[in-house]
Amino acid sequence: GDSVTQMEGPVTLSEEAFLTINCTYTATGYPSLFWYVQYPGEGLQLLLKATKADDKGSNKGFEATYRKETTSFHLEKGSVQVSDSAVYFCALAPGGGSNYKLTFGKGTLLTVNP
Amino acid sequence: DADVTQTPRNRITKTGKRIMLECSQTKGHDRMYWYRQDPGLGLQLIYYSFDVKDINKGEISDGYSVSRQAQAKFSLSLESAIPNQTALYFCATSGGGSNQPQHFGDGTRLSIL
Repeated sequence: GDSVTQMEGPVTLSEEAFLTINCTYTATGYPSLFWYVQYPGEGLQLLLKATKADDKGSNKGFEATYRKETTSFHLEKGSVQVSDSAVYFCALAPGGGSNYKLTFGKGTLLTVNP
Repeated sequence: DADVTQTPRNRITKTGKRIMLECSQTKGHDRMYWYRQDPGLGLQLIYYSFDVKDINKGEISDGYSVSRQAQAKFSLSLESAIPNQTALYFCATSGGGSNQPQHFGDGTRLSIL
């Protein structure tokens, strides 16, 4: 079945540091890939998505590129802020429009210190 | 106002009690979902519904039931709660088009003693 593996946390960075959170996946066909963010006490929010190979999703300074050859969708940000402290989830949806079954990674806790 | 509203936000109850968690949405989406979040395990799908008459089991439906009362309302029930159902529960919605993201409520923290 489909699966998502993301780097284990917690990750602790200083403000303005570079961020990478690795995500790799196993899926048949052509899945869509997502990054969600969960701030303390809140539900998950879509951060960015990519629906086909070589697509780059971007939002709020975060970027991730859908790499089919390496089955990866790593999240990056050039300069993190304290307000980026949250849990980040990589997820995939099967291809063909059947987005009902999102498969999530286990989440990576990011803490950014001033 | 939140697009996806869950009630209650927190609940503490005893083993054996019947619990209902409610979810309502103003996004006009047909698809609704219930997830469970446990520390270090990500999210697991409990049930999902494509419309009022279409309800399906997810990965971990045992011990849970759902009711889709209207397009905007989807409730989750624990008929006889047990301690290992202590978790954070999320409702989500999505549109019916391909690759549409899911939109989450703020969650219900459920503790079963």
